[in-house]
Amino acid sequence: QVQLQESGPGLVKPSETLSLTCTVSGGSIGNYYWSWIRQPPGKGLEWLGFLYYTGSTKYNPSLKSRATISVDTSKNQLSLNLNSVTAADTAVYYCARGKYQVLGYFQHWGQGTLVTVSS
Amino acid sequence: DIQMTQSPSTLSAAVGDRVTITCRASQRINDLLAWYQQKPGKTPKLLIYEASTLESGVPSRFSGSGSGTEFTLTISSLQPDDFATYYCQQYNSFSPSTFGQGTKLEIK
Repeated sequence: QVQLQESGPGLVKPSETLSLTCTVSGGSIGNYYWSWIRQPPGKGLEWLGFLYYTGSTKYNPSLKSRATISVDTSKNQLSLNLNSVTAADTAVYYCARGKYQVLGYFQHWGQGTLVTVSS
Repeated sequence: DIQMTQSPSTLSAAVGDRVTITCRASQRINDLLAWYQQKPGKTPKLLIYEASTLESGVPSRFSGSGSGTEFTLTISSLQPDDFATYYCQQYNSFSPSTFGQGTKLEIK
């Protein structure tokens, strides 16, 4: 059974870059679409972007080109970088995966990691 | 963006009740709709995809229906474990993919 584990700093200063890693175990990065999704405290879910294992990416326009998703297949890891953060970027960040070669719904989720943007 | 609107925002019900949550899309989404359940402090769990296909392992008391722009999630007989927040997600477009604002299902 695939498992996803997010990791990264829990506190980021305003205007700096938020950097998170999602480590995939029990399965391969290959042939799947991998997404980052976030949830501000007490609020709903927002899809941020996806990466296909080939390296192609797509992002939510609401991020205004601040996000970059990349992959390190040798480590079975995905990364999310979000620059110029503000308090509005405070959220639990999840990585998620759908079914084999399917871009759509999210079958597997990490447990999420809370990132607080504050000075 | 395709806007997803859920109703109601909060629903109070008792164990054994039949409940229905509605999700409306701002444009047709070709039945590319999923439903998730999220409990406090936990990860969302996929319940239904393609509007009506039950994810493996999900109890059969959950069902999804609808087409075009209006979709429903029905729980036929509420169990204590079902009290949670439910979200719909459209994946017809990833420009961007969008979620509903959530429906909190509370114990009456």
